[in-house]
Amino acid sequence: ILNVEQSPQSLHVQEGDSTNFTCSFPSSNFYALHWYRWETAKSPEALFVMTLNGDEKKKGRISATLNTKEGYSYLYIKGSQPEDSATYLCAFSSGGSNYKLTFGKGTLLTVNP
Amino acid sequence: ETGVTQTPRHLVMGMTNKKSLKCEQHLGHNAMYWYKQSAKKPLELMFVYSLEERVENNSVPSRFSPECPNSSHLFLHLHTLQPEDSALYLCASRRHTGANTEAFFGQGTRLTVV
Repeated sequence: ILNVEQSPQSLHVQEGDSTNFTCSFPSSNFYALHWYRWETAKSPEALFVMTLNGDEKKKGRISATLNTKEGYSYLYIKGSQPEDSATYLCAFSSGGSNYKLTFGKGTLLTVNP
Repeated sequence: ETGVTQTPRHLVMGMTNKKSLKCEQHLGHNAMYWYKQSAKKPLELMFVYSLEERVENNSVPSRFSPECPNSSHLFLHLHTLQPEDSALYLCASRRHTGANTEAFFGQGTRLTVV
């Protein structure tokens, strides 16, 4: 059984704050790590797909890092805005069945104006 | 708009009913997925189709029956469901089943079994 853990479960920040959350996953047989953003009443939307140890990816104010040896990824949001409020999901796939994405429960971010 | 469309958006059905959920994508993707999300649980993979062939059935009860007639359409046929099957059902597609391709999700069908 593959366990993907995300922390914290929920987070409230003020507009302008920077924040980060964690995704931990099994470090053996790693294949890829995905981050998705899921706003209420919308579809989950891909932010990053990361495959290499040490990968850092950036999209605007959001960035992510990957450590496959120790099995974690961080998602950072710089200068949070109310429109960043959403659930952030990470998903892991392993080499044995790389078509499967195993999701964590997500981190619910609320940015207060 | 992600390019993946699910219908209906909401469905209420009795335990003796038969209904179907539909998912459609015209992104040219070859892989399609059904996920279930219950309250306070992570997204659970139900079925995976690659090139219209089912490659994964994640121990899903037979009262859920998927169908993939072509690479653009995916159905989930429902019959004799239980109240605990009430959940959000999400469809996703990917260009192929390789792990480095992102998934595109529909908005989901909110299913309530009464």
